Amino acid sequence: GNSVTQMEGPVTLSEEAFLTINCTYTATGYPSLFWYVQYPGEGLQLLLKATKADDKGSNKGFEATYRKETTSFHLEKGSVQVSDSAVYFCALITNYGKLTFGQGTILTVHP
Amino acid sequence: EAQVTQNPRYLITVTGKKLTVTCSQNMNHEYMSWYRQDPGLGLRQIYYSMNVEVTDKGDVPEGYKVSRKEKRNFPLILESPSPNQTSLYFCASSAIPGLKGYEQYFGPGTRLTVT
Repeated sequence: GNSVTQMEGPVTLSEEAFLTINCTYTATGYPSLFWYVQYPGEGLQLLLKATKADDKGSNKGFEATYRKETTSFHLEKGSVQVSDSAVYFCALITNYGKLTFGQGTILTVHP
Repeated sequence: EAQVTQNPRYLITVTGKKLTVTCSQNMNHEYMSWYRQDPGLGLRQIYYSMNVEVTDKGDVPEGYKVSRKEKRNFPLILESPSPNQTSLYFCASSAIPGLKGYEQYFGPGTRLTVT
């Protein structure tokens, strides 16, 4: 079956530091890949997505590239802010409609 | 405003007392789904529905039922809740996932405690 593995958290950074959250996946077929973000007390919001190999998704300074050869979709941001503190989820979906999430990575950014 | 609504937002109940969590979306989406979120496990899909009258099991369907009689509504039913169903539940909707890249819109969540 499909699976998504994210790097262990929590991740604690100082403001303006570089962020990487690793995500690798196993899937049959050709999945679409997503990063969702969950702020405290809220539901999930789509952060960015990529629908085919070598696509780069980007939003709010975050980026991730769909790497089919390494089955990865790592999330990066060059300079994090305190307001980026949240839980980040990597996810994939296949044409069949079944969405699979990673376990989530808690990010805390200190001033 | 495009949104997914869930009710109730918080619920404390006792083992064995049947309950329903409602979910409604106003975006005319075909696809709806339920997830539970537990610490260290991320979100796991309970059931999903590709369109009216068509539902299928996700990864953790045991102890849950769903129905999709109307396009906008997708209630989650716990016939006999048990403490291991204490969790944070999310409903989501989207256009048909087969059209790649469609975003899932999530409701605000329902925190359920079963004692």
